[in-house]
Amino acid sequence: QKEVEQDPGPLSVPEGAIVSLNCTYSNSAFQYFMWYRQYSRKGPELLMYTYSSGNKEDGRFTAQVDKSSKYISLFIRDSQPSDSATYLCAMIGGNTPLVFGKGTRLSVIA
Amino acid sequence: GAGVSQTPSNKVTEKGKYVELRCDPISGHTALYWYRQSLGQGPEFLIYFQGTGAADDSGLPNDRFFAVRPEGSVSTLKIQRTERGDSAVYLCASSVNAGGAGELFFGEGSRLTVL
Repeated sequence: QKEVEQDPGPLSVPEGAIVSLNCTYSNSAFQYFMWYRQYSRKGPELLMYTYSSGNKEDGRFTAQVDKSSKYISLFIRDSQPSDSATYLCAMIGGNTPLVFGKGTRLSVIA
Repeated sequence: GAGVSQTPSNKVTEKGKYVELRCDPISGHTALYWYRQSLGQGPEFLIYFQGTGAADDSGLPNDRFFAVRPEGSVSTLKIQRTERGDSAVYLCASSVNAGGAGELFFGEGSRLTVL
């Protein structure tokens, strides 16, 4: 079992839809949870991060962490075609380097 | 430049050849990371530097891979006797400090193809 599991998709939604992206993990030492966005042929860029359990909102994006279930989510409201990208969850804690999920490829159709 | 710069952006080589990939981090960032991303996969950790020293090289797949950062700024990832399985995008990232929630700033990657 990999440390971080993420459904690779692809996920295709109509413009304006609510998107839910998820990851599960096995390492209980993880304390910081992040979402990176990666456009085609570009490097990943940090979208949001959360420390420990809880919710964090930034504009149309909401990140949730449930450490008891080892489950994290990213919600995108009112999705736009410009949100089309690969979304990577990432986690760090203890002595581990930043560990990434496989990424979920999202297409938002106008 | 303002961001992490990686060269070359594309490299095609033949099996068995030696390759060097260069990373120029954001000025003032003490931590530098190398990741490898294969098609359809997330970035896989290779090594990170804090200053000039390799703080964690546990992700290097074997002794054909080596990285240096002699002056604490630019880093070079060196791959000897390349194999077809080394084909991937090699991503470099830097951060102000290592660990915690410090944001990693990634370059656009060096796409390596081994024929």
